[in-house]
Amino acid sequence: AQKITQTQPGMFVQEKEAVTLDCTYDTSDQSYGLFWYKQPSSGEMIFLIYQGSYDEQNATEGRYSLNFQKARKSANLVISASQLGDSAMYFCAMRGGMDSSYKLIFGSGTRLLVRP
Amino acid sequence: DTGVSQNPRHKITKRGQNVTFRCDPISEHNRLYWYRQTLGQGPEFLTYFQNEAQLEKSRLLSDRFSAERPKGSFSTLEIQRTEQGDSAMYLCASSSHEGAGGRSPLHFGNGTRLTVT
Repeated sequence: AQKITQTQPGMFVQEKEAVTLDCTYDTSDQSYGLFWYKQPSSGEMIFLIYQGSYDEQNATEGRYSLNFQKARKSANLVISASQLGDSAMYFCAMRGGMDSSYKLIFGSGTRLLVRP
Repeated sequence: DTGVSQNPRHKITKRGQNVTFRCDPISEHNRLYWYRQTLGQGPEFLTYFQNEAQLEKSRLLSDRFSAERPKGSFSTLEIQRTEQGDSAMYLCASSSHEGAGGRSPLHFGNGTRLTVT
């Protein structure tokens, strides 16, 4: 079974600064995928970034990057140059490589507030 | 690609009533998922369809819950004899893994927020 742990219920960051949101995971699968989603107050889940367990490089998508440390089973999201519009809930999720459903298992999330 | 559409956006019902939600996935996606999200928590998997076949159900999906995807396109989630504990956001997602396999994300709708009074 897969499990995602996000230990930061809430985070503050000053506009234009970088912030790291923590995510640790547990799985017995050798192959798996890690995802980050953003959920603004409107409720929609917005896909941000993906990291495969066999990817050699850390994933990057614009201002988002993933600090993937496989031995530590962590996949932290780094947001650079924070903007006011980044204020939202952020969820880490994983997909097991042996799961033919391709469903995602989510953590409990981190609420990020960007201060002007 | 018009995205995943869910209706209604909000539903208020009295305890004991039945409710039904609809999800229209992205048209070329053959996989459809229902999740439930309570306040302050991450989405929890409920059930999954591949085309019209319901292939997996979570233990969270009690006998009062039923989901269908009759023609492999839109899906409905029905809750019978609603209870206050059913109050939550119900999210639908779709995906296609042709070619990309496990790298493809789930694409979510805006959800239906259910309040049981």
